[in-house]
Amino acid sequence: QKEVEQDPGPLSVPEGAIVSLNCTYSNSAFQYFMWYRQYSRKGPELLMYTYSSGNKEDGRFTAQVDKSSKYISLFIRDSQPSDSATYLCAMSVPPGAGGTSYGKLTFGQGTILTVHP
Amino acid sequence: NAGVTQTPKFRVLKTGQSMTLLCAQDMNHEYMYWYRQDPGMGLRLIHYSVGEGTTAKGEVPDGYNVSRLKKQNFLLGLESAAPSQTSVYFCASSEVTSNQPQHFGDGTRLSIL
Repeated sequence: QKEVEQDPGPLSVPEGAIVSLNCTYSNSAFQYFMWYRQYSRKGPELLMYTYSSGNKEDGRFTAQVDKSSKYISLFIRDSQPSDSATYLCAMSVPPGAGGTSYGKLTFGQGTILTVHP
Repeated sequence: NAGVTQTPKFRVLKTGQSMTLLCAQDMNHEYMYWYRQDPGMGLRLIHYSVGEGTTAKGEVPDGYNVSRLKKQNFLLGLESAAPSQTSVYFCASSEVTSNQPQHFGDGTRLSIL
């Protein structure tokens, strides 16, 4: 079983829809949670970065962490065709909780999202 | 501001050939990483470096070597390329404080025939 599970999709939605992307994980020591966006033939680009539980909002994007359920989500409101990309979740364990000194990231497989006009 | 730059962008090799992938970052980051990305496998860490002159093995280091002679550069070498090393290779860097997000380059697409 993978430490981080992410539904690879693909997910196809109409423009303007609310998109929900999710990851589940098994390691309760994860404290830092990230979402990366990766356009075709490009590198992953950091979208959201959160620590521990709670919500974080940035424009049309909201990241949610539920540590009790070991579940993180990324919501995209008013989705646009330019949001079409692969979305990767990533997480890490702090050194004090048994993590590595270099901040090893554990990635999900990525979800392919297409927003059609 | 270039961020993380990888060269070359594409390369085709024959089995047994060698090559070096170059990564350069202009953010003065201490930590640098090499990943490979394969369909269905996500991103897997090959090697990493926590500072100039240091390197360490990641999850899938076999068949690769690295060097970090200068802080801004991190080189990934394939001594004898194998078809199983066909992949997209990404370099990333991050600040010295642990758990800082990593910043990625745009990748090198490598095919081994």
